Amino acid sequence: DGGITQSPKYLFRKEGQNVTLSCEQNLNHDAMYWYRQDPGQGLRLIYYSQIVNDFQKGDIAEGYSVSREKKESFPLTVTSAQKNPTAFYLCASSPTAAGGYEQYFGPGTRLTVT
Amino acid sequence: LAKTTQPISMDSYEGQEVNITCSHNNIATNDYITWYQQFPSQGPRFIIQGYKTKVTNEVASLFIPADRKSSTLSLPRVSLSDTAVYYCLVGDPYNAGNMLTFGGGTRLMVKP
Repeated sequence: DGGITQSPKYLFRKEGQNVTLSCEQNLNHDAMYWYRQDPGQGLRLIYYSQIVNDFQKGDIAEGYSVSREKKESFPLTVTSAQKNPTAFYLCASSPTAAGGYEQYFGPGTRLTVT
Repeated sequence: LAKTTQPISMDSYEGQEVNITCSHNNIATNDYITWYQQFPSQGPRFIIQGYKTKVTNEVASLFIPADRKSSTLSLPRVSLSDTAVYYCLVGDPYNAGNMLTFGGGTRLMVKP
């Protein structure tokens, strides 16, 4: 089965701890994305990567970091600097990082920080 | 990037046709219009994409007038399972780095 996997589905952390969210795709897509969604809101872009070893900040990158060492993987670290980390995090991929291409989304990780 | 405006919410009943309109007054020449569907606690799912006139697939139809400043997603004979948030986005598929912006979307509630 081709697709995007995110793990875990639910994640709980204490305030002040860094946490890394996993995202893997086997679609052979060049571009990958991380979005954040708060209750009742749309998606906001955190980071995106057009190619391996390259990534760019999205609209709300502060307090987050990413890496893209392999084409298949694009992990997101939520650092202790992120003021309101509790949210639903969605990873996506597309053949290229162009605005009109279909993005394929993973099932999401719901992060709760207390 | 072209900004989109769509109704915050809509209600419908099972079996009815639902039309959701999206305004994108400053759409660029190379932009395409794409609609996504999102169920609670899931990632969005691509529904349909078009550039002009009309596009139809097994799920929906997309109507785009000649000036392309708006578009209408049409869902025929909705069922309860069509209750979801629907996002309208515009973007250029040939411009790498031209990121899509997901706004608040339209919350469609289908009632029995």
